[in-house]
Amino acid sequence: NAGVTQTPKFQVLKTGQSMTLQCAQDMNHNSMYWYRQDPGMGLRLIYYSASEGTTDKGEVPNGYNVSRLNKREFSLRLESAAPSQTSVYFCASSEGGGRVFYEQYFGPGTRLTVT
Amino acid sequence: AQSVSQHNHHVILSEAASLELGCNYSYGGTVNLFWYVQYPGQHLQLLLKYFSGDPLVKGIKGFEAEFIKSKFSFNLRKPSVQWSDTAEYFCAVKKEDTGRRALTFGSGTRLQVQP
Repeated sequence: NAGVTQTPKFQVLKTGQSMTLQCAQDMNHNSMYWYRQDPGMGLRLIYYSASEGTTDKGEVPNGYNVSRLNKREFSLRLESAAPSQTSVYFCASSEGGGRVFYEQYFGPGTRLTVT
Repeated sequence: AQSVSQHNHHVILSEAASLELGCNYSYGGTVNLFWYVQYPGQHLQLLLKYFSGDPLVKGIKGFEAEFIKSKFSFNLRKPSVQWSDTAEYFCAVKKEDTGRRALTFGSGTRLQVQP
């Protein structure tokens, strides 16, 4: 199993450009997440999807949109990139959630720079 | 708002020294607590977790953590560090009594172990 995969690994954008970060998991997990990691701030949740067909905002959703394409894939879109979105983006997945915690498995990350 | 504080941002130790990394959270309800580790260039991995029961939790690679409810703390310890423990360590909290699946992370502690 590959676990959680993310593409691309690196990306440089100019302000105003758009792009989509791709995430896929092969563990048949129900829940998927997008986090951003900034120096000195840890990981912050952008959006999550509890199950196929549902998405919810996290702590820092502004400037992002997501799509849960199917059970395997959860994409993150930046419609008009801004320098403040320069960050490392991590996708994660877990079996389920709610009142029961299942371990989250993380992808390798996408390092995005917006100039 | 729930927050997770890791007061040690950068720790430098010599091999065989003992380690203690602090983690405090601000939520007053029931929580699940976690420590994740990110080795250089690798994914985040779960080191250990606390849900209930014995407040002293043992994880992988000789790490342990103690939940002290009265202090809202979940400090990570290892009696004797190795060079291979060089990594960034993140404390994370999940509210147990809500439907939210996502974790709230601390800002991380970068551990550097010198040979």
